[in-house]
Amino acid sequence: GDSVTQMEGPVTLSEEAFLTINCTYTATGYPSLFWYVQYPGEGLQLLLKATKADDKGSNKGFEATYRKETTSFHLEKGSVQVSDSAVYFCALSDLDTGRRALTFGSGTRLQVQP
Amino acid sequence: DTGVSQNPRHKITKRGQNVTFRCDPISEHNRLYWYRQTLGQGPEFLTYFQNEAQLEKSRLLSDRFSAERPKGSFSTLEIQRTEQGDSAMYLCASSPPGTGQPYEQYFGPGTRLTVT
Repeated sequence: GDSVTQMEGPVTLSEEAFLTINCTYTATGYPSLFWYVQYPGEGLQLLLKATKADDKGSNKGFEATYRKETTSFHLEKGSVQVSDSAVYFCALSDLDTGRRALTFGSGTRLQVQP
Repeated sequence: DTGVSQNPRHKITKRGQNVTFRCDPISEHNRLYWYRQTLGQGPEFLTYFQNEAQLEKSRLLSDRFSAERPKGSFSTLEIQRTEQGDSAMYLCASSPPGTGQPYEQYFGPGTRLTVT
């Protein structure tokens, strides 16, 4: 079945540091890939997405590139802020299997210190 | 506020009791999903509705769980004879109509269930 693997957290960074959160996946078909973010006390929000190989999703300074050859979708940001502290989830949707459900990774907590 | 809403936000119940949660999706969205999230884990899919039809169910959805979406609007998730292992955050999401691309799923704030 489909699965998503994320690096374990927490990831603790100082403000303005470079961020990478690794995400790899296995899928039966050709999935679409997503990053969701969960800020403290809030619901899940879509951060960015990519639907085919070599697509780059971007939003709020975050980027991730769909790498089919390495089955990866790593999240990056050049300069993090305290307000980026949250839990980040990598997810996939594999419509080729006829399923509309999202398959999530276990999440990576990011703590940014001033 | 036109986002996905869920009620109640918190529910504490004793083992063996039945509980029911409600989800109101974004009004023009015809697709509705239920997920369960335990501490330190990502959400796990439970079930999916397109309009009033329940099209997909996870094997996580045991026979103690039932979900409905009468008239294709709001949805309810009922858990009968609750067990301590049912303690989790129950998330609802909705997405708009369309084919092909997996349109973004918009999540509600969740209902946190604690079974004592």
